[in-house]
Amino acid sequence: NAGVTQTPKFQVLKTGQSMTLQCAQDMNHEYMSWYRQDPGMGLRLIHYSVGAGITDQGEVPNGYNVSRSTTEDFPLRLLSAAPSQTSVYFCASSYGEGPYEQYFGPGTRLTVT
Amino acid sequence: KQEVTQIPAALSVPEGENLVLNCSFTDSAIYNLQWFRQDPGKGLTSLLLIQSSQREQTSGRLNASLDKSSGRSTLYIAASQPGDSATYLCAVRGFRDTGANSKLTFGKGITLSVRP
Repeated sequence: NAGVTQTPKFQVLKTGQSMTLQCAQDMNHEYMSWYRQDPGMGLRLIHYSVGAGITDQGEVPNGYNVSRSTTEDFPLRLLSAAPSQTSVYFCASSYGEGPYEQYFGPGTRLTVT
Repeated sequence: KQEVTQIPAALSVPEGENLVLNCSFTDSAIYNLQWFRQDPGKGLTSLLLIQSSQREQTSGRLNASLDKSSGRSTLYIAASQPGDSATYLCAVRGFRDTGANSKLTFGKGITLSVRP
């Protein structure tokens, strides 16, 4: 199993540009999440999904969209990038409800200039 | 709203020391607590998961304990090694929300440096 994969590893955007961060898992996990990690702020939940076709907002959803058309993929879209979205983005997945760990991808480091 | 605190933010110890990393949380209605390790520039690796009904979990030189009533968890590292240098994060999952297993609340982490 590749686990949780994320692409790209690094990205530089100009203010106002849009892009999609990709996340995929091959563990047949129902639950997937996006977090951002900022110095001094820790990890904060952006959006999450409990299954294909079902998504919901986390703590800091503004400026981001998600969709979940398949169990494997959970892309995160930045509609109009802002410098405040400069961060490291992590995708995570878990099997579902119950005593299951969350598994994290390697992260995407995004800089918005 | 659940808040998770890890103090101190950084810790430096000589090799061979036994050490304890602390994590506290404000809402004791948790389902489980997970400890992670993060190496610089990398993702998070799960170390231990403790269910709310458990008191502790062990894996090799690591032992995590949970005291829900006082809102505390500790990660004990025995005989520390330079390879243990990393940031250690704890995260809790609450009972109350649908899909709660996809939503963790994280502490800011403790950056550990083990000196040879």
